[in-house]
Amino acid sequence: DAKTTQPTSMDCAEGRAANLPCNHSTISGNEYVYWYRQIHSQGPQYIIHGLKNNETNEMASLIITEDRKSSTLILPHATLRDTAVYYCIVRGYGSGNTGKLIFGQGTTLQVKP
Amino acid sequence: KAGVTQTPRYLIKTRGQQVTLSCSPISGHRSVSWYQQTPGQGLQFLFEYFSETQRNKGNFPGRFSGRQFSNSRSEMNVSTLELGDSALYLCASSLQGSNEKLFFGSGTQLSVL
Repeated sequence: DAKTTQPTSMDCAEGRAANLPCNHSTISGNEYVYWYRQIHSQGPQYIIHGLKNNETNEMASLIITEDRKSSTLILPHATLRDTAVYYCIVRGYGSGNTGKLIFGQGTTLQVKP
Repeated sequence: KAGVTQTPRYLIKTRGQQVTLSCSPISGHRSVSWYQQTPGQGLQFLFEYFSETQRNKGNFPGRFSGRQFSNSRSEMNVSTLELGDSALYLCASSLQGSNEKLFFGSGTQLSVL
C-alpha cells in the first residue's frame, strides 16, 4: 500500500503557483519523498525528490516539514501543460526497493485559463 | 540521448493467447522495471531486472514473466491472457535501480478481447 495521502483533485489558475500537499506521517528516517507526474497517455515523469531539506530544480520546489510527516510540491507558475496526475511517493533504500515505486491514487491537477 | 523506448505502442490479443512486450532502456542504464496500469488498480510494480537477473518482484501471478538481455534491453511476457490483463504496461529504466529517479517509456496499451 502507498504510504502517502494526497487530495484527489485540485484546480489552479494559469500563471499562479500550484501547491500540492502530501501527507506521509509514517515515513522512516532513511526514506525519501519523490514526486512524479503523469500526463494523459504518457509514462510518469520524474519531478523532484528530497530527504529532509527543501529542494528546487527547474521544474518545481519541494518543501518538507521539519518532522518530515508532510511535504508540498510547488509549481511556481503553472501552465496548461502542467495539467496532470501528480504522485507523491515515499521510497527507501534496500534490496526490496530496487526499481520499485509504490504509487497511490495521486492528485489530479487541473490548470485553468 | 534517446529516452526509454517501448514497442509496440498498441496491441490487441484474445483470451488465452500470450504476448511479448519490448523495452529499450536509456543508454547506460542497467536497471529495467515493469509496471502495469489499470483504471481500477492504478500503477503497480511487476518486477525489476538488473544485469540480466530478476532482482525484485511484485505481487503478480507467474503468468507474468520477463527477461533482460546483455545490452540491458528487456522483454515482458504474459501467458494465457485474461480479460483483466488489459492495461497500459510501462517500462522504466535507471542507472542502478537504487534510490534514484526512474525514467519511464510511453507504454504499451494491451487490449485483451
